[in-house]
Amino acid sequence: DAGVIQSPRHEVTEMGQEVTLRCKPISGHNSLFWYRQTMMRGLELLIYFNNNVPIDDSGMPEDRFSAKMPNASFSTLKIQPSEPRDSAVYFCASRTSGSTDTQYFGPGTRLTVL
Amino acid sequence: AQSVTQLDSHVSVSEGTPVLLRCNYSSSYSPSLFWYVQHPNKGLQLLLKYTSAATLVKGINGFEAEFKKSETSFHLTKPSAHMSDAAEYFCVVSVSGTYKYIFGTGTRLKVLA
Repeated sequence: DAGVIQSPRHEVTEMGQEVTLRCKPISGHNSLFWYRQTMMRGLELLIYFNNNVPIDDSGMPEDRFSAKMPNASFSTLKIQPSEPRDSAVYFCASRTSGSTDTQYFGPGTRLTVL
Repeated sequence: AQSVTQLDSHVSVSEGTPVLLRCNYSSSYSPSLFWYVQHPNKGLQLLLKYTSAATLVKGINGFEAEFKKSETSFHLTKPSAHMSDAAEYFCVVSVSGTYKYIFGTGTRLKVLA
């Protein structure tokens, strides 16, 4: 299995620009998570999808952030407009739906907003 | 409410010596517990998982962890450290019956030659 795939791996952009991060979960996994990792706050859950439906987006920082999952094999996290404080590593993770099941993480996207 | 505490933010060991990374948890239910490793500029990789089948859990790369309910601990050990073990390690507890996971703050392991 290829594992969770994220793109791009690195993104450098200027403040005010739109940024789109992409994720392909492991085939057969029906739960998908977006996390943000910073030195100050550690790993934070941004949004959780189950069967392509957003279940919990309470971790999304503000309206500048949006996420979609149009099908079982693709999700996007969009930031518009981006700000320097959005600089972080963004991880996507997937799992099957059992509550004790293991999350599998992608390699992450390192976002730098200048 | 569930919580997880990693007792050391940094641990340094010499190559070839044992590794002990400590994790205490709090859970109202029988928890599922995980250890993940994150190498620099990489994603989180699962080392091992406890789900009540056996209290001693063996993982990849020679790591193992023991679930001790009486001590509410899930410490990660390895008999002999290798340079490639230098990384950050996260102890994670799943919130029973939900999709939520509680992540520890991480322990950065340094392996000295």
